[in-house]
Amino acid sequence: QQQVKQSPQSLIVQKGGIPIINCAYENTAFDYFPWYQQFPGKGPALLIAIRPDVSEKKEGRFTISFNKSAKQFSLHIMDSQPGDSATYFCAASTQSNYQLIWGAGTKLIIKP
Amino acid sequence: EAQVTQNPRYLITVTGKKLTVTCSQNMNHEYMSWYRQDPGLGLRQIYYSMNVEVTDKGDVPEGYKVSRKEKRNFPLILESPSPNQTSLYFCASRPGLVNEQFFGPGTRLTVL
Repeated sequence: QQQVKQSPQSLIVQKGGIPIINCAYENTAFDYFPWYQQFPGKGPALLIAIRPDVSEKKEGRFTISFNKSAKQFSLHIMDSQPGDSATYFCAASTQSNYQLIWGAGTKLIIKP
Repeated sequence: EAQVTQNPRYLITVTGKKLTVTCSQNMNHEYMSWYRQDPGLGLRQIYYSMNVEVTDKGDVPEGYKVSRKEKRNFPLILESPSPNQTSLYFCASRPGLVNEQFFGPGTRLTVL
């Protein structure tokens, strides 16, 4: 029940395309859903996060879509660029302990 | 510059030779944690600390030790490393009741 399942494991998209990465969870107590971005040789860094009181959040070219009834959330990258090539992790936590439960990660490659 | 630092960045060692990976943060964060990252498994928490002298096991604590004698430092100790501890290790910190974690640059450990 504590797991966060992330798919796909890897993804290759042409420049300008819209990669979509999906995550699913079971624990209905989760109330914070971040996405972290990790470039090679670096630690993960917070990209964008959403709480379950909204269904969508945009920050620049990055959008989180959230479906509370399906217990799923996804990351969309509009007008993707080669510089977006990275590993993306979804995660979830509760306000009671702030401990992040991580997805397995998606390696995204944007081809020029 | 606010940051989490880890040393060493790369380490090759042999089975059974005790080692310590240091982690230090200059943001006065209460919470610190250690993760290991393995392909297909994402980030798995090893140990975490809510404050000085307060530590607790994460999901994969076997074979590791930690200590938190000062707020800024959180070393990871492998008393008798084994090849299955070959991995990429990340230290992270955050303020007490905040979700966002700040990661160090990682330590790539190889145990022969």
